[in-house]
Amino acid sequence: KNQVEQSPQSLIILEGKNCTLQCNYTVSPFSNLRWYKQDTGRGPVSLTIMTFSENTKSNGRYTATLDADTKQSSLHITASQLSDSASYICVVSALTSYDKVIFGPGTSLSVIP
Amino acid sequence: NAGVTQTPKFQVLKTGQSMTLQCAQDMNHEYMSWYRQDPGMGLRLIHYSVGAGITDQGEVPNGYNVSRSTTEDFPLRLLSAAPSQTSVYFCASSYGLGASGRNEQFFGPGTRLTVL
Repeated sequence: KNQVEQSPQSLIILEGKNCTLQCNYTVSPFSNLRWYKQDTGRGPVSLTIMTFSENTKSNGRYTATLDADTKQSSLHITASQLSDSASYICVVSALTSYDKVIFGPGTSLSVIP
Repeated sequence: NAGVTQTPKFQVLKTGQSMTLQCAQDMNHEYMSWYRQDPGMGLRLIHYSVGAGITDQGEVPNGYNVSRSTTEDFPLRLLSAAPSQTSVYFCASSYGLGASGRNEQFFGPGTRLTVL
């Protein structure tokens, strides 16, 4: 069964600190993996996308890594800001089938002063 | 560009009532989809469309209908609302499929639906 799991479920960090969010998946055959940021009351917004051949991708203070062999990905946030408080969702796509886009449950991140 | 717009933002229904959630995009995207988001779960695909006149079912289609008469609009109809349909609904659009950056999915702001 195609699944995407994320950990931790929630996380609280101090402003300025770094953090790493995890994503494990069993989606097959793998096409690509995206990380989304979802602010409270808003729709998700894409942060990064990686294909099988890519093992790291950065977007400002966000760096995503992918290990396609172990089917794991991580999202590292550097020098966190209050505006980073949001839910971060890992999304894995199987080939180019529109109905095989699997969303993880998300990690809720709170950055406090 | 307004991107993806959804109306209404909030809605309360009684069991058995019907309604239509509106979704429109002005990016000339061929692919549009409807998702529902429930606490502790990932977004789940309800219906999707790969172009005007073409729709298909996703993971949780029961109780919902869609149509795609134009490229811009993709309404979602609840036929007879049930408490299990209480959720936040998101519409999304993309240029195509696959890993290309141009195929990024853009999401609307969501509709929060409560069925009593």
